[in-house]
Amino acid sequence: NAGVTQTPKFQVLKTGQSMTLQCAQDMNHNSMYWYRQDPGMGLRLIYYSASEGTTDKGEVPNGYNVSRLNKREFSLRLESAAPSQTSVYFCASSDEGGGTYNSPLHFGNGTRLTVT
Amino acid sequence: AQSVAQPEDQVNVAEGNPLTVKCTYSVSGNPYLFWYVQYPNRGLQFLLKYITGDNLVKGSYGFEAEFNKSQTSFHLKKPSALVSDSALYFCAVRNSGAGSYQLTFGKGTKLSVIP
Repeated sequence: NAGVTQTPKFQVLKTGQSMTLQCAQDMNHNSMYWYRQDPGMGLRLIYYSASEGTTDKGEVPNGYNVSRLNKREFSLRLESAAPSQTSVYFCASSDEGGGTYNSPLHFGNGTRLTVT
Repeated sequence: AQSVAQPEDQVNVAEGNPLTVKCTYSVSGNPYLFWYVQYPNRGLQFLLKYITGDNLVKGSYGFEAEFNKSQTSFHLKKPSALVSDSALYFCAVRNSGAGSYQLTFGKGTKLSVIP
Protein backbone atom coordinates (compact mmCIF):
# COMPACT_ATOMS: atom_id res chain seq x y z
CA ASN A 1 0.00 0.00 0.00
CA ALA A 2 1.90 3.06 -1.28
CA GLY A 3 -0.23 5.78 0.39
CA VAL A 4 0.92 9.23 -0.76
CA THR A 5 3.75 9.32 -3.30
CA GLN A 6 5.71 12.47 -4.10
CA THR A 7 8.19 13.04 -6.92
CA PRO A 8 10.94 14.10 -7.13
CA LYS A 9 12.54 13.53 -3.73
CA PHE A 10 15.19 16.21 -4.28
CA GLN A 11 15.51 19.14 -6.67
CA VAL A 12 17.89 22.04 -7.15
CA LEU A 13 16.71 25.00 -9.23
CA LYS A 14 18.24 28.27 -10.25
CA THR A 15 16.31 31.48 -9.58
CA GLY A 16 13.68 32.00 -12.26
CA GLN A 17 13.41 28.36 -13.32
CA SER A 18 10.09 26.56 -13.15
CA MET A 19 9.12 23.09 -12.02
CA THR A 20 6.17 20.95 -11.03
CA LEU A 21 6.02 18.80 -7.93
CA GLN A 22 3.92 15.70 -8.40
CA CYS A 23 1.73 13.98 -5.81
CA ALA A 24 -0.50 10.94 -6.07
CA GLN A 25 -2.52 9.02 -3.49
CA ASP A 26 -4.03 5.57 -3.77
CA MET A 27 -6.41 5.72 -0.79
CA ASN A 28 -9.41 7.14 -2.71
CA HIS A 29 -9.34 10.27 -0.54
CA ASN A 30 -11.32 13.34 -1.48
CA SER A 31 -9.14 16.01 0.10
CA MET A 32 -5.53 16.80 -0.81
CA TYR A 33 -3.10 19.40 0.51
CA TRP A 34 0.25 20.99 -0.19
CA TYR A 35 2.34 22.19 2.77
CA ARG A 36 5.81 23.63 3.10
CA GLN A 37 8.04 22.98 6.10
CA ASP A 38 10.70 25.46 7.14
CA PRO A 39 12.96 25.19 10.21
CA GLY A 40 11.35 26.65 13.31
CA MET A 41 8.09 27.43 11.48
CA GLY A 42 6.20 24.17 11.48
CA LEU A 43 4.09 23.36 8.44
CA ARG A 44 2.22 26.02 6.50
CA LEU A 45 -0.60 25.31 4.08
CA ILE A 46 -0.01 26.42 0.49
CA TYR A 47 -3.13 25.08 -1.25
CA TYR A 48 -6.00 22.72 -0.55
CA SER A 49 -8.29 20.72 -2.82
CA ALA A 50 -11.60 19.30 -1.61
CA SER A 51 -12.25 17.36 -4.81
CA GLU A 52 -11.32 17.11 -8.49
CA GLY A 53 -11.49 20.51 -10.12
CA THR A 54 -11.62 22.56 -6.89
CA THR A 55 -8.78 24.32 -5.12
CA ASP A 56 -8.49 26.87 -2.32
CA LYS A 57 -5.65 29.05 -1.15
CA GLY A 58 -3.97 28.37 2.15
CA GLU A 59 -1.76 30.52 4.31
CA VAL A 60 1.15 31.00 1.85
CA PRO A 61 -0.10 30.64 -1.77
CA ASN A 62 1.93 33.41 -3.43
CA GLY A 63 4.35 32.13 -6.06
CA TYR A 64 2.58 28.78 -6.46
CA ASN A 65 -0.13 27.26 -8.63
CA VAL A 66 -1.86 23.91 -8.26
CA SER A 67 -3.81 21.47 -10.40
CA ARG A 68 -6.13 18.74 -9.16
CA LEU A 69 -5.88 16.58 -12.25
CA ASN A 70 -8.17 13.84 -10.98
CA LYS A 71 -9.06 12.29 -7.65
CA ARG A 72 -5.60 10.70 -7.28
CA GLU A 73 -3.26 13.50 -8.35
CA PHE A 74 -2.55 17.01 -7.07
CA SER A 75 0.42 18.89 -8.51
CA LEU A 76 2.20 22.03 -7.29
CA ARG A 77 3.90 24.35 -9.78
CA LEU A 78 6.53 27.01 -9.20
CA GLU A 79 6.45 29.27 -12.26
CA SER A 80 9.54 31.35 -11.40
CA ALA A 81 11.44 29.94 -8.47
CA ALA A 82 12.92 32.26 -5.83
CA PRO A 83 15.41 31.51 -3.02
CA SER A 84 12.59 32.11 -0.50
CA GLN A 85 10.92 28.98 -1.88
CA THR A 86 13.77 26.80 -0.66
CA SER A 87 11.92 24.40 1.61
CA VAL A 88 10.64 20.89 2.11
CA TYR A 89 7.29 20.39 0.43
CA PHE A 90 4.76 17.86 1.67
CA CYS A 91 1.66 16.58 -0.01
CA ALA A 92 -1.10 15.09 2.13
CA SER A 93 -4.52 13.55 1.68
CA SER A 94 -7.47 12.81 3.94
CA ASP A 95 -10.80 11.03 3.81
CA GLU A 96 -13.10 13.96 4.45
CA GLY A 97 -16.45 14.98 3.15
CA GLY A 98 -19.66 16.74 3.99
CA GLY A 99 -17.87 19.74 5.45
CA THR A 100 -16.47 17.96 8.49
CA TYR A 101 -12.71 18.05 8.83
CA ASN A 102 -11.84 15.68 11.65
CA SER A 103 -10.00 13.00 9.69
CA PRO A 104 -6.24 12.70 10.02
CA LEU A 105 -3.95 13.67 7.17
CA HIS A 106 -1.71 11.12 5.46
CA PHE A 107 1.58 12.61 4.33
CA GLY A 108 4.07 11.78 1.62
CA ASN A 109 7.80 11.74 2.36
CA GLY A 110 8.41 15.18 0.94
CA THR A 111 10.35 16.95 -1.81
CA ARG A 112 13.48 18.82 -0.71
CA LEU A 113 13.81 21.87 -2.96
CA THR A 114 16.77 24.22 -3.06
CA VAL A 115 16.65 27.41 -5.12
CA THR A 116 20.01 29.07 -5.72
CA ALA B 1 -7.31 33.33 13.39
CA GLN B 2 -6.24 30.08 14.98
CA SER B 3 -2.85 29.25 16.41
CA VAL B 4 -0.86 26.57 18.21
CA ALA B 5 1.99 27.08 20.65
CA GLN B 6 4.51 24.42 21.54
CA PRO B 7 6.54 26.23 24.20
CA GLU B 8 9.51 23.83 24.21
CA ASP B 9 11.74 23.52 21.18
CA GLN B 10 13.37 20.44 22.72
CA VAL B 11 12.49 17.96 25.45
CA ASN B 12 15.03 15.53 26.85
CA VAL B 13 13.93 12.53 28.89
CA ALA B 14 15.64 9.39 30.15
CA GLU B 15 14.51 6.05 28.75
CA GLY B 16 11.83 4.52 30.95
CA ASN B 17 10.74 7.86 32.42
CA PRO B 18 7.38 9.46 31.63
CA LEU B 19 7.36 12.11 28.94
CA THR B 20 5.20 15.15 28.28
CA VAL B 21 5.20 17.37 25.20
CA LYS B 22 3.19 20.54 25.73
CA CYS B 23 0.68 22.18 23.40
CA THR B 24 -1.70 25.09 23.82
CA TYR B 25 -4.08 26.35 21.17
CA SER B 26 -6.30 29.25 20.22
CA VAL B 27 -9.36 28.87 18.00
CA SER B 28 -12.79 30.39 17.73
CA GLY B 29 -15.40 27.78 18.47
CA ASN B 30 -14.71 24.18 19.39
CA PRO B 31 -11.39 22.63 18.36
CA TYR B 32 -10.36 19.49 16.61
CA LEU B 33 -6.87 18.68 17.95
CA PHE B 34 -4.21 16.40 16.53
CA TRP B 35 -0.72 15.13 17.30
CA TYR B 36 1.69 14.03 14.57
CA VAL B 37 5.22 12.62 14.73
CA GLN B 38 7.97 13.10 12.16
CA TYR B 39 11.05 10.90 11.86
CA PRO B 40 14.12 12.16 9.94
CA ASN B 41 13.58 12.54 6.20
CA ARG B 42 9.99 11.31 6.44
CA GLY B 43 6.54 12.83 6.30
CA LEU B 44 4.36 13.37 9.35
CA GLN B 45 2.53 10.40 10.84
CA PHE B 46 -0.75 10.69 12.72
CA LEU B 47 -0.65 9.74 16.41
CA LEU B 48 -4.02 10.70 17.89
CA LYS B 49 -6.86 13.19 17.80
CA TYR B 50 -9.47 14.82 19.98
CA ILE B 51 -12.85 15.48 18.39
CA THR B 52 -15.35 15.38 21.24
CA GLY B 53 -16.21 13.32 24.30
CA ASP B 54 -13.65 11.86 26.71
CA ASN B 55 -10.90 14.35 27.47
CA LEU B 56 -8.24 11.61 27.60
CA VAL B 57 -7.42 10.32 24.15
CA LYS B 58 -5.30 7.24 23.50
CA GLY B 59 -3.35 6.81 20.29
CA SER B 60 -0.61 4.90 18.55
CA TYR B 61 2.59 3.54 20.15
CA GLY B 62 1.32 4.01 23.73
CA PHE B 63 0.86 7.77 23.46
CA GLU B 64 -2.07 9.61 24.99
CA ALA B 65 -3.16 13.23 25.26
CA GLU B 66 -5.43 15.14 27.58
CA PHE B 67 -7.75 17.85 26.33
CA ASN B 68 -8.23 20.68 28.84
CA LYS B 69 -10.75 23.21 27.62
CA SER B 70 -10.26 25.73 30.43
CA GLN B 71 -6.50 25.83 29.88
CA THR B 72 -6.81 25.43 26.08
CA SER B 73 -4.19 22.72 26.24
CA PHE B 74 -3.66 19.33 24.63
CA HIS B 75 -0.47 17.88 26.09
CA LEU B 76 1.00 14.65 24.70
CA LYS B 77 2.09 12.04 27.25
CA LYS B 78 3.58 8.58 27.50
CA PRO B 79 4.13 6.67 30.75
CA SER B 80 7.50 5.16 29.79
CA ALA B 81 9.69 6.64 27.05
CA LEU B 82 11.59 4.53 24.52
CA VAL B 83 14.71 5.55 22.60
CA SER B 84 12.70 4.91 19.43
CA ASP B 85 10.29 7.70 20.48
CA SER B 86 13.01 10.24 19.65
CA ALA B 87 11.53 12.37 16.86
CA LEU B 88 9.89 15.70 16.06
CA TYR B 89 6.34 16.11 17.39
CA PHE B 90 3.73 18.48 16.04
CA CYS B 91 0.45 19.60 17.58
CA ALA B 92 -2.25 20.88 15.20
CA VAL B 93 -5.69 22.48 15.51
CA ARG B 94 -8.75 22.96 13.34
CA ASN B 95 -11.95 24.87 13.97
CA SER B 96 -14.79 22.36 14.13
CA GLY B 97 -17.09 24.74 12.25
CA ALA B 98 -18.31 23.71 8.83
CA GLY B 99 -15.90 24.42 6.00
CA SER B 100 -12.88 24.88 8.24
CA TYR B 101 -10.29 22.94 6.27
CA GLN B 102 -7.35 24.99 7.53
CA LEU B 103 -5.20 22.81 9.82
CA THR B 104 -2.72 24.94 11.75
CA PHE B 105 0.46 23.34 13.07
CA GLY B 106 2.71 24.31 15.92
CA LYS B 107 6.43 24.78 15.29
CA GLY B 108 7.29 21.35 16.60
CA THR B 109 9.08 19.92 19.63
CA LYS B 110 12.13 17.74 19.26
CA LEU B 111 11.99 14.84 21.71
CA SER B 112 15.25 13.13 22.62
CA VAL B 113 15.07 9.97 24.73
CA ILE B 114 18.42 9.25 26.35
CA PRO B 115 19.40 5.62 26.91
